Amino acid sequence: GENVEQHPSTLSVQEGDSAVIKCTYSDSASNYFPWYKQELGKRPQLIIDIRSNVGEKKDQRIAVTLNKTAKHFSLHITETQPEDSAVYFCAASISPDSGGGADGLTFGKGTHLIIQP
Amino acid sequence: DGGITQSPKYLFRKEGQNVTLSCEQNLNHDAMYWYRQDPGQGLRLIYYSQIVNDFQKGDIAEGYSVSREKKESFPLTVTSAQKNPTAFYLCASRTREEKLFFGSGTQLSVL
Repeated sequence: GENVEQHPSTLSVQEGDSAVIKCTYSDSASNYFPWYKQELGKRPQLIIDIRSNVGEKKDQRIAVTLNKTAKHFSLHITETQPEDSAVYFCAASISPDSGGGADGLTFGKGTHLIIQP
Repeated sequence: DGGITQSPKYLFRKEGQNVTLSCEQNLNHDAMYWYRQDPGQGLRLIYYSQIVNDFQKGDIAEGYSVSREKKESFPLTVTSAQKNPTAFYLCASRTREEKLFFGSGTQLSVL
């Protein structure tokens, strides 16, 4: 089955700097890659996702890049703010349209992002 | 509240006791999931269901059971066979575009 590795487990950056979180996946058939943000004591929420037919997607201060050859994808947050402090999870799956199973996403173990004032 | 509701928020289990966590959604999603979250372990899949009256084991199903009698409801029972039940439990439903919507979670602890 799919295996998703996520690094680093903890990342501390100064407010206003950029943060990068990286994930690798094992199944070359995976074609859907979302990122979830979980604030302390709250539910995970989808912040951005990318499919394998594109290499990069951007939404305001966040962006995701995908390298299918190397089987890795990254989350980039620019101009970090205190409200960016949270745990971020990457995930991967094979879309049902592409023969994927119903069990859905395989998650990385998470990155605790700390924004230092 | 995002259309998916979990209850209770906190739950305590005595040794040898079965407890049931509730999950209800009004998003009209077919697929529903239960995940267990432990510190530093990410989200691990317990059970999932694609349609009413059908469900499948995930990666860590031992000691758990589910039912899916209605599209809106997917309760999880933590049985006495689960020897290490203390964790944060998250229910989710999935759109056709594969996006997951999570409930607010239940923190289960052992007395």
